[in-house]
Parts: sequence; structure tokens; C-alpha cells
Amino acid sequence: GENVEQHPSTLSVQEGDSAVIKCTYSDSASNYFPWYKQELGKRPQLIIDIRSNVGEKKDQRIAVTLNKTAKHFSLHITETQPEDSAVYFCAAPSGGYQKVTFGTGTKLQVIP
Amino acid sequence: DVKVTQSSRYLVKRTGEKVFLECVQDMDHENMFWYRQDPGLGLRLIYFSYDVKMKEKGDIPEGYSVSREKKERFSLILESASTNQTSMYLCASSENGQGFYGYTFGSGTRLTVV
Repeated sequence: GENVEQHPSTLSVQEGDSAVIKCTYSDSASNYFPWYKQELGKRPQLIIDIRSNVGEKKDQRIAVTLNKTAKHFSLHITETQPEDSAVYFCAAPSGGYQKVTFGTGTKLQVIP
Repeated sequence: DVKVTQSSRYLVKRTGEKVFLECVQDMDHENMFWYRQDPGLGLRLIYFSYDVKMKEKGDIPEGYSVSREKKERFSLILESASTNQTSMYLCASSENGQGFYGYTFGSGTRLTVV
């Protein structure tokens, strides 16, 4: 099955700086890579996803890049704000039926 | 606005009890999933269902079973609760179609087994 590794496990940045979280996957056939944000005490929510036919996707201050050759994808958050503090999970497909395997999460702290 | 509802936010059960966790979605999604979330381990798939009465084991199904009698409802059953099943349990749903779609999660049930 799919193996997803996520780094770093914790990340602290100053408000206004950028944050980058990286994930690697093992199945070269994977073609969908979502990112979820989980604020403290709340449910994970999909914030952005990318499909394998593009190399980058942006949505305001967040972007995701995909390198299929190296089998890794990254989440980039620019101009970080305190409300970006949360745990972020990457994921990749693991078999059929819309199943995905999640990374172990990155706890991002934005220091005001 | 809530689309995936888990019946309990917090539960405390005794070792050996049979425990039912309920999940209901109102989006007419075909796929439903049960994950458990533990610090440092991320979200691990217990069971999923792609249709009514259909179920498939995930990565950590031991000690659990599921039931899906209606499309909107997916139940997780702990046959005989043990302390190592103390965890946060998250239900999710997604639609079917060409390619993959994002999940909608419930708010979670924090289960403590004593």
C-alpha cells in the first residue's frame, strides 16, 4: 500500500514569514494529493488539493507543488498569520474507493 | 451547515463493554470512513464503506467492526472495548466519481476506555 512520510513534525515561524511542509509518497501511480488543516479541537478540513496533471496550484496565501519524478509534494504558506496555527496533514491515494493514506501531521505554530 | 455528524463528542466506557459510535452524513455520499487519530501517528484507517451493506477493512481493523444499513449512516462497533482503544475517532465521507474527491470529516468522538 501507499506510504506517506511528512516533515517536519513541528514548525514554528514568526508572523509574516513563510512555512513549508513536505511529504513523500511511495506509489508512482498516485495522482491526487490533498492537504487538510485541523485547528485545535476541530475537525480536519480540506484546504487545497492537487492532481498529477499540474505541478503547482495556488489559493491566495497557500500553494501546493508536486514533483512526480521525485514523488514528493509540498505545502507553502506565505505571509503567515496566527490563525494559520494548526496541524496540517498531507495524504495520497492508497487503493480504490477514494481511500487515502495520511501523513503523520505537522503542528505549525505562528508566533505573533 | 454541519454535513457529517458524530453522535457523541466525548464517551467514557469500561473495559469489556460493547461500544457503538454513530456517524450520519447528509450529502448523499457513497463512501464513508472511520479513522482513529493518535498523537504522532496521524489518522489511521479502521474501516470504510463504498456502498450500503458493503465494508472493507482498513489498516487497523482488529477489535472493530462496522455496519452500514443505510446510505447516510455508518456505525463503528468496538466489540469488547480495551484501554488501547482510547483515542479520537473521526468519521469522514466522500463522493464517488472520476478521480478522487476530498473528505468531509465529522467533529470526532473522544473515547476513553477505563
